[in-house]
Amino acid sequence: KAGVTQTPRYLIKTRGQQVTLSCSPISGHRSVSWYQQTPGQGLQFLFEYFSETQRNKGNFPGRFSGRQFSNSRSEMNVSTLELGDSALYLCASSWTSAQETQYFGPGTRLLVL
Amino acid sequence: QKEVEQNSGPLSVPEGAIASLNCTYSDRVSQSFFWYRQYSGKSPELIMSIYSNGDKEDGRFTAQLNKASQYVSLLIRDSQPSDSATYLCAAEGNQFYFGTGTSLTVIP
Repeated sequence: KAGVTQTPRYLIKTRGQQVTLSCSPISGHRSVSWYQQTPGQGLQFLFEYFSETQRNKGNFPGRFSGRQFSNSRSEMNVSTLELGDSALYLCASSWTSAQETQYFGPGTRLLVL
Repeated sequence: QKEVEQNSGPLSVPEGAIASLNCTYSDRVSQSFFWYRQYSGKSPELIMSIYSNGDKEDGRFTAQLNKASQYVSLLIRDSQPSDSATYLCAAEGNQFYFGTGTSLTVIP
């Protein structure tokens, strides 16, 4: 069974731009969560989607948004990029809930210049 | 207090020794706990989950949960250089909470 896939793997943007990251969960998994990982803060929860609805949200500004499609694929968008948004963005999927065992994708490494 | 806290280390152990990784948690998380391993430049991968008080063994790995002390640990027996990684403790609450990770180096 294929694992979680994320595209693109690497991205370089400049301040003020916006970016969209994509995540395809493991087949059959309906819950998709997004995390930001930085050396100083570790893994921080962004949001969780289930059945095309945002079910939970972490403590991030409104510049961070996401959505989920009917096939459970999810996208995350960051608008008006700031230098501090440079991070590894990880997507994780699980069967029905972010409270279950989560399986992570390889991540998208974003560098904001 | 953060929901999940770990000693960031780094922790170094000689090959063949037991590595002990520790994590404490707050009242804001519930009864399910997880250990993930993350190699440098890679994404986290699940090692073990534990839900009940006591020990749970899987090969060279043993997870221990003490609900009274709000403490969960991971023991790695017969440590190998390939175990060198960052170990993340995670707990279930109204979301998934991760600790900041403990860096482990196994010295050959």
